[in-house]
Amino acid sequence: DGGITQSPKYLFRKEGQNVTLSCEQNLNHDAMYWYRQDPGQGLRLIYYSQIVNDFQKGDIAEGYSVSREKKESFPLTVTSAQKNPTAFYLCASSMGLAGVLDEQYFGPGTRLTVT
Amino acid sequence: DAKTTQPPSMDCAEGRAANLPCNHSTISGNEYVYWYRQIHSQGPQYIIHGLKNNETNEMASLIITEDRKSSTLILPHATLRDTAVYYCIVSSLYNFNKFYFGSGTKLNVKP
Repeated sequence: DGGITQSPKYLFRKEGQNVTLSCEQNLNHDAMYWYRQDPGQGLRLIYYSQIVNDFQKGDIAEGYSVSREKKESFPLTVTSAQKNPTAFYLCASSMGLAGVLDEQYFGPGTRLTVT
Repeated sequence: DAKTTQPPSMDCAEGRAANLPCNHSTISGNEYVYWYRQIHSQGPQYIIHGLKNNETNEMASLIITEDRKSSTLILPHATLRDTAVYYCIVSSLYNFNKFYFGSGTKLNVKP
């Protein structure tokens, strides 16, 4: 089956620890995205990548880092500098063709709890 | 990107049509209207999109006003499984599809 996988579904960490969230896609998509969602709120864009070895900050990048070494993988690291890391994290991908209407496909999400 | 305004919640009886409104009064000529929905604790799912003509697919219909300042998503025969948060998003092709997800409308389909 083609799709996006995120693991784990639930993640618990102690304050002050860095944690990396996994996102893998087998859709052969060039573009990938990370969003954060807080309870009762919409999604906010953290980082996005249009192509391998390139990524840009979204609206709330502070305290997060990403890498894009492979087309199918876009891991997100939540660093200890992120003041309120507890949230639902969603990864998405799209074909990423410039100037072409392009829907985003979302993974099932990872719920991170930091205490 | 233009921002959107949606009611926070709506109710609909099972089997009836659900009409979800969205205001996007600052939409520009090259911006499309997209609709996604998010069932509780899952990733959002694409529903439909349009530029200025009305659109229909197997899931829903999208009606865009002539001035493009508002639109309505129609689920013709709502089921309990349509209970979700529905997001209306406007985005241009030139903004690399960076979507702004507002708070959306929570649709409650009741038996």
